[in-house]
Amino acid sequence: KNQVEQSPQSLIILEGKNCTLQCNYTVSPFSNLRWYKQDTGRGPVSLTIMTFSENTKSNGRYTATLDADTKQSSLHITASQLSDSASYICVVSLNSGGYQKVTFGTGTKLQVIP
Amino acid sequence: NAGVTQTPKFRILKIGQSMTLQCAQDMNHNYMYWYRQDPGMGLKLIYYSVGAGITDKGEVPNGYNVSRSTTEDFPLRLELAAPSQTSVYFCASSYSSGQGAKRTEAFFGQGTRLTVV
Repeated sequence: KNQVEQSPQSLIILEGKNCTLQCNYTVSPFSNLRWYKQDTGRGPVSLTIMTFSENTKSNGRYTATLDADTKQSSLHITASQLSDSASYICVVSLNSGGYQKVTFGTGTKLQVIP
Repeated sequence: NAGVTQTPKFRILKIGQSMTLQCAQDMNHNYMYWYRQDPGMGLKLIYYSVGAGITDKGEVPNGYNVSRSTTEDFPLRLELAAPSQTSVYFCASSYSSGQGAKRTEAFFGQGTRLTVV
């Protein structure tokens, strides 16, 4: 069964600190992996996308890594800000015929406090 | 830019009532999707469409219907609302130039919070 598991479920950090969120997946055949940020009461917004051949992708203070061999990804947030408080969702896509199926993780809820 | 627009934002339904959740996008995307998000769970795909006139079931289609008469609109219909359909519903869209081709990221609407009592 294709699964995407994220850890931790929730995290509280002080403003200015760094943190790393984890994503493990069993999706196969793998196509790409995205990290989304979902603010409370809003729809998810894409942060990064990585394909099989990419192992690092940055978007400002967000850096995603991918190890396709161990099927693990991480999202590192540097110098956190209050506005980083949100849920971060790992989404893995696989190719299935003409349609690319996606599996969503349950997310990590991050709270940045002053 | 409007992007993906969903209406209504909130709705309370009684068991057995029906309603339509509206979704419109102005990005000329060919792919559109409906997801539901339950507390503590990942988004689950209900239905999707790869273009006007074409729809297909996702993971959890039971109790729902969709139509795609235009590129812009992708309404989701609940015929006989049940408490199990209490959830937050997200509509999304993306673009692909053809079968198997790379797709853009999915753009999501702000969600419709539905409660069935």
